[in-house]
Amino acid sequence: AQTVTQSQPEMSVQEAETVTLSCTYDTSENNYYLFWYKQPPSRQMILVIRQEAYKQQNATENRFSVNFQKAAKSFSLKISDSQLGDTAMYFCAFMKHVEYGNKLVFGAGTILRVKS
Amino acid sequence: EAGVAQSPRYKIIEKRQSVAFWCNPISGHATLYWYQQILGQGPKLLIQFQNNGVVDDSQLPKDRFSAERLKGVDSTLKIQPAKLEDSAVYLCASSLSAGALGTQYFGPGTRLLVL
Repeated sequence: AQTVTQSQPEMSVQEAETVTLSCTYDTSENNYYLFWYKQPPSRQMILVIRQEAYKQQNATENRFSVNFQKAAKSFSLKISDSQLGDTAMYFCAFMKHVEYGNKLVFGAGTILRVKS
Repeated sequence: EAGVAQSPRYKIIEKRQSVAFWCNPISGHATLYWYQQILGQGPKLLIQFQNNGVVDDSQLPKDRFSAERLKGVDSTLKIQPAKLEDSAVYLCASSLSAGALGTQYFGPGTRLLVL
């Protein structure tokens, strides 16, 4: 079974600074996908960024980028130029590459607080 | 485009009572998921539907939880009888396809408190 570990329960960062959230996972699969989801206090979960394991290039979405280290089974999220609206719970998630049954396995989450 | 709708948003019941949650996915989305999010934990998949068929219900406590997706559109999740440990947020999500690249869009959730 796959497991996802987020070792930082809470983090804080000053507005406009950069912060990195950590995630490690355990799997015997070779083909899979990794995700970071954001859950603001309103509780609507939103996809932030996705990484396909077969791609060596790290995914980037505007101010969000990942550092994917497949051998180390590490998948960290970097948020540049942090904004107050980035305050949320961030979940790292894993999905096996299958035709059907794309279950997301989530970590416990990291609460990020952006301070002005 | 309307998002995933869920109701009710909040529900308080006593243990051993029954409760039902409703989800309406994004129009055209064939795949629907129910997740349970206990406080302090990440969401855990309870059941996944592809149209009106069940794809994965391996983590659904079938002695007390049931779910259906009649006509392959909206879905209901029922708990009967509820236990204290069922207190959680129940999230519904939908995706256009069941493949791994089908982005899952989440609803606002239903917060259940069992007393």
